[in-house]
Amino acid sequence: GEDVEQSLFLSVREGDSSVINCTYTDSSSTYLYWYKQEPGAGLQLLTYIFSNMDMKQDQRLTVLLNKKDKHLSLRIADTQTGDSAIYFCAETGNTGFQKLVFGTGTRLLVSP
Amino acid sequence: NAGVTQTPKFQVLKTGQSMTLQCAQDMNHEYMSWYRQDPGMGLRLIHYSVGAGITDQGEVPNGYNVSRSTTEDFPLRLLSAAPSQTSVYFCASRDGTGRQPQHFGDGTRLSIL
Repeated sequence: GEDVEQSLFLSVREGDSSVINCTYTDSSSTYLYWYKQEPGAGLQLLTYIFSNMDMKQDQRLTVLLNKKDKHLSLRIADTQTGDSAIYFCAETGNTGFQKLVFGTGTRLLVSP
Repeated sequence: NAGVTQTPKFQVLKTGQSMTLQCAQDMNHEYMSWYRQDPGMGLRLIHYSVGAGITDQGEVPNGYNVSRSTTEDFPLRLLSAAPSQTSVYFCASRDGTGRQPQHFGDGTRLSIL
């Protein structure tokens, strides 16, 4: 079946880079997503990458995809305290686009 | 530009009560879905719909009913609430092509006593 795994916590200092990692099992996934959830709020789409891409950059965010190892990462440059949140990795799975399979989320804590 | 709107934002129920969580989107999206979020488990798909009149079960459908009489609305019904249904519920929608990501509502925080 489909499975998406993430580490539960990451703590960094303001100004450092953060790297959040995700591994998935379904090699047929077409899209992979990163969502951000702030306390008490819904899910905000940060970025997504199509499976035929290796890298996507959007301002402070860089997504790297290693299809061979089924590994996805999100790098946040110059991390700010406002980046403190839970970050979810999600994939489209083998159902085409019928559903998203989410990881458990990584809680990022940015300290001043 | 409302996007996906969920109501209510918070609700407390007693075991055995019924209620309907509302979800509406104004983007003319064909695909809508309901997820529940529990600590340490990410989001799990409850039910989804690929268009008006069409619904299907997701990963955790038991205890929930849905219907899709219009493109805009996708209500989630709890027929007899149980404490195990205490969770945060998210509704999402996307267009029919699948090339655009899903848009999420702000969630409904539901407690069953």
